[in-house]
Amino acid sequence: QKEVEQDPGPLSVPEGAIVSLNCTYSNSAFQYFMWYRQYSRKGPELLMYTYSSGNKEDGRFTAQVDKSSKYISLFIRDSQPSDSATYLCAMSRTGNQFYFGTGTSLTVIP
Amino acid sequence: KAGVTQTPRYLIKTRGQQVTLSCSPISGHRSVSWYQQTPGQGLQFLFEYFSETQRNKGNFPGRFSGRQFSNSRSEMNVSTLELGDSALYLCASSLGSSLYGYTFGSGTRLTVV
Repeated sequence: QKEVEQDPGPLSVPEGAIVSLNCTYSNSAFQYFMWYRQYSRKGPELLMYTYSSGNKEDGRFTAQVDKSSKYISLFIRDSQPSDSATYLCAMSRTGNQFYFGTGTSLTVIP
Repeated sequence: KAGVTQTPRYLIKTRGQQVTLSCSPISGHRSVSWYQQTPGQGLQFLFEYFSETQRNKGNFPGRFSGRQFSNSRSEMNVSTLELGDSALYLCASSLGSSLYGYTFGSGTRLTVV
């Protein structure tokens, strides 16, 4: 069983839609959670960072962590064509070695 | 401010050869981590270096090795290449700990034929 599971999609939504991206994990010791966005032929870039459980909002992006269910989510409001990318969740026990999901491919159609 | 620079961007090698990849972190960043990215497995942690010392290591065979120099630049070496080593190799830097996230380079695309 993989440490982190992520639905690969692909996910296709119209511009302006709310997008929900999710990951589940098996290691209850994970306490650092991140979301990265990766455009084609580029390295991942950090979008959101959360520690332990709870919600965090940054502009159109909201990250949620539910440690009791071992489930994390990223919500994108008012999605834009420029949001079209692969989204990767990542998590860590110590903050020095991260386990990544395989990524969800998102396309926002104008 | 310059980002994380990885060279070369693309590489084609023959099975059995060895290869060295290079990474220059963001100025002031002392931690460098390496990840292998493949479509089926996603990003998998190789190792992390901090102040020229390997601080963490993932579950890769000994053919994969790395080092870090006093200027924080890092190199990764893969010996006796196998077809399954074909992947995007990503270098990521952070100040001291990756608690607040990495800055990734654009990667080196290695193809083993």
